[in-house]
Amino acid sequence: DAGVIQSPRHEVTEMGQEVTLRCKPISGHDYLFWYRQTMMRGLELLIYFNNNVPIDDSGMPEDRFSAKMPNASFSTLKIQPSEPRDSAVYFCASSLDFYEQYFGPGTRLTVT
Amino acid sequence: DQQVKQNSPSLSVQEGRISILNCDYTNSMFDYFLWYKKYPAEGPTFLISISSIKDKNEDGRFTVFLNKSAKHLSLHIVPSQPGDSAVYFCAARSSNYKLTFGKGTLLTVNP
Repeated sequence: DAGVIQSPRHEVTEMGQEVTLRCKPISGHDYLFWYRQTMMRGLELLIYFNNNVPIDDSGMPEDRFSAKMPNASFSTLKIQPSEPRDSAVYFCASSLDFYEQYFGPGTRLTVT
Repeated sequence: DQQVKQNSPSLSVQEGRISILNCDYTNSMFDYFLWYKKYPAEGPTFLISISSIKDKNEDGRFTVFLNKSAKHLSLHIVPSQPGDSAVYFCAARSSNYKLTFGKGTLLTVNP
C-alpha cells in the first residue's frame, strides 16, 4: 500500500480565498483524522471520521473550517475564507483501530 | 492546558550512547501511550506504544517505560544511531479514543 496520500503538498494562497486539502487514507482503514500542526499549539486534532461519518469535530477552530468524507477512500478539509493565522501544516491520518495512526506527509499551507 | 508535556525541546547525544526522551501527562484517564518519530517534510510515523496496564514495552533498540503514579513515560533508545535524529512526539489516548500529542523533542545523534 502507498500509505496515506495528501495533496497538495504545498499551498500558497491569499487571504479570503477558499482552500481545499485532500486525503486518501490507507485502504481498509475505518478511521480518518485531520490534524493541524503549528509552532504555538503543536499537533492538534481537528476532526475524525469513522466509516465516513464525522464523529468528533470539537477541534475544528471555526465555522470557516469544514471537512467531508464522501466515501471510504477520500476526504477533504476546506477553509473558506482563509486567513493568515490558518497557516500551518495539515496532516491526515488513518487507522484500522484506535491504536496506531498512520500519517500522510502533510500539506504546508501558507496564507498571505 | 497542555495535558501531554515534553519539557525538553531538544536533546543531543553521541552515537552509541543512550537517548532518553521524557513525557509527562496530567490526565489520569489516559489508557494508552504512543511515541511517534518525525523527519522533516514527512508525517509522524508510529514507533512504539504501551498500555496503561504495563510499565515497560521493548522493541529492538527502543524501550518505553511508564510510571503511572508519577504520570510519566520515557523512551529509551540504545544504542543511538545518527539515523535516529528526528523529532519525537509523545501521544496519549483518552477514553474517547482521541490522541493528545506533546509538542515534541528534537533528538540529534552526533556521529
